[in-house]
Amino acid sequence: EVQLVQSGAEVKKPGESLKISCKGSGYSFTNYWIVWVRQMPGKGLEWMGIINPGDSDTRYTPSFQGQVTISADMSITTAYLQWSRLQASDTAIYYCARWTSGYLVEWGQGTLVTVSS
Amino acid sequence: EIVLTQSPGTLPLSPGERATLSCRASQSVTNNYLAWYQQNPGQAPRLLIYGASSRATGVPDRFSGSGSVTDFTLTISRLEPEDFAVYYCQQYANSPPTFGQGTKLEIK
Repeated sequence: EVQLVQSGAEVKKPGESLKISCKGSGYSFTNYWIVWVRQMPGKGLEWMGIINPGDSDTRYTPSFQGQVTISADMSITTAYLQWSRLQASDTAIYYCARWTSGYLVEWGQGTLVTVSS
Repeated sequence: EIVLTQSPGTLPLSPGERATLSCRASQSVTNNYLAWYQQNPGQAPRLLIYGASSRATGVPDRFSGSGSVTDFTLTISRLEPEDFAVYYCQQYANSPPTFGQGTKLEIK
């Protein structure tokens, strides 16, 4: 069974750094790109970026370029999303998902990130 | 980037009724590279339809997708209580992939 298991909820202060994770199992991790999707409170879905865990080739949606860093460690079948300096506007649920020919079949359970002073 | 506009924003219907949700693209979605997702409160989205009209594994046949070029439709033939949720369309024809803003299907 394909599974994507994300790290737990985080509460951070503005200016702090954060790295959340998404562990894949049940499939060949390096054969499928991983996507990160943001959902701000009460809002819709936003495609942030995508990574090929096999060679770490990463593409960002322009609005997220320079705001976050996506990475992966294929040795532990885990993808990451990180911020160097969080802002209150980063408060959201972040989902990872497995990219299959353009659409997203399997999703992680989501990680709630709350940024508040 | 392709902008997807979903309508209506909210659709109040009763169980047993037929639901028709629209997704309109700002430019042509080549190869009908359009997907639909369902999201229930507190849950991750679930893929329903890909390629505009192909049902994902395990999706009941009351869900169907249609359309082409810039106009796409998700139809739920007879609403079940568990179908009341938010629905999103997503295009993967152009980079970056984009989602519509969602349609909330609510119980009338």
